[in-house]
Amino acid sequence: SQQGEEDPQALSIQEGENATMNCSYKTSINNLQWYRQNSGRGLVHLILIRSNEREKHSGRLRVTLDTSKKSSSLLITASRAADTASYFCATGQRSPGKLSFGAGTTVTVRA
Amino acid sequence: DGGITQSPKYLFRKEGQNVTLSCEQNLNHDAMYWYRQDPGQGLRLIYYSQIVNDFQKGDIAEGYSVSREKKESFPLTVTSAQKNPTAFYLCASSIGLARNTGELFFGEGSRLTVL
Repeated sequence: SQQGEEDPQALSIQEGENATMNCSYKTSINNLQWYRQNSGRGLVHLILIRSNEREKHSGRLRVTLDTSKKSSSLLITASRAADTASYFCATGQRSPGKLSFGAGTTVTVRA
Repeated sequence: DGGITQSPKYLFRKEGQNVTLSCEQNLNHDAMYWYRQDPGQGLRLIYYSQIVNDFQKGDIAEGYSVSREKKESFPLTVTSAQKNPTAFYLCASSIGLARNTGELFFGEGSRLTVL
């Protein structure tokens, strides 16, 4: 089974609105990462948060991590049409070399 | 520009044939990975390699083989033993192991279809 589970599976918002998606995981982690994938393309790294961090910002992105609840959230503020993509969380687990991905949240930003 | 190049982008295979997907990186990264992506299932790790001439099985290695003869190259062979090979295959690299040092850099993927 997958380590990370994103919620919701799909999200449709109006341009300018905020988009929030969540990721839950099962085992202890070293870090948690978020990636974006445009349709038919490779993944692009967005942000990494380490297990001893609680919040991180990058431009219009805000990521939180709650290790006690084994969950993370990704907030995209003031969304744009170009933010339309699938977003994946990935957990860096303690077993060597393993980065496990969730099934992703598909975000559609309507103009 | 530095990056990861996967080829071919699209590949069609008849049942019973082996096919090899190419992955080359010029980022001077030590670690390389192969993931498989199926609709609605996210990415699953097939194989990864930390250094030249060494590689480890991931979660779904059966029916696949890899080699790491050069730091820059990590080809994936999909053998006839893989029963459901139709998928989108993604190659990635990282400076060190992704669990510690962070981000993966991905290629643009190879879509394999079995006819």
